[in-house]
Amino acid sequence: SAVISQKPSRDICQRGTSLTIQCQVDSQVTMMFWYRQQPGQSLTLIATANQGSEATYESGFVIDKFPISRPNLTFSTLTVSNMSPEDSSIYLCSVRDSFDYEQYFGPGTRLTVT
Amino acid sequence: QKEVEQNSGPLSVPEGAIASLNCTYSDRGSQSFFWYRQYSGKSPELIMFIYSNGDKEDGRFTAQLNKASQYVSLLIRDSQPSDSATYLCAVRSGGYQKVTFGTGTKLQVIP
Repeated sequence: SAVISQKPSRDICQRGTSLTIQCQVDSQVTMMFWYRQQPGQSLTLIATANQGSEATYESGFVIDKFPISRPNLTFSTLTVSNMSPEDSSIYLCSVRDSFDYEQYFGPGTRLTVT
Repeated sequence: QKEVEQNSGPLSVPEGAIASLNCTYSDRGSQSFFWYRQYSGKSPELIMFIYSNGDKEDGRFTAQLNKASQYVSLLIRDSQPSDSATYLCAVRSGGYQKVTFGTGTKLQVIP
């Protein structure tokens, strides 16, 4: 499976600011995803990061709040904009090598908004 | 009805016993099924996947799939304290092949 890294691993941010999370994969992958896991909850898909085009967002998530970039097949960023305490969560990058292959997760970014 | 349902637990089993984790799903057209293990404070780790009806074994782990009953399970033989974690069931379905996760079952293996 691919090796996935995320930066930062954790951060504490002030309300109203923005944070950009980076996801780097050691090999080219077809599909990259961003998930959120709130305390004690399961995983919620935020969006699918599409290379060279706009991300595909799930219901309840919008581009203005969670802009995503994917400039190539090994890298993506997720920005959490205008943060509020409700955005405190773990944000996870996930990759799938092909449409019907298995899916793997990065180590996550633990975000606390004060 | 939730798309993927799991009992939240905790499920407590003694060391050396068999732990049985269950999951049901609502989309009859689902094609692929996954079990992830998540230790506290860590990200999910893929431990098993199954695509066809029946059993699939990998070491101490066996995944069982029954598409007619829309049911998938994970058996852990000779449970160890290091198996104590939350186990997430995930199902891939739909033309977009979206993966949906259950809420997870917390397993506690008692030494």
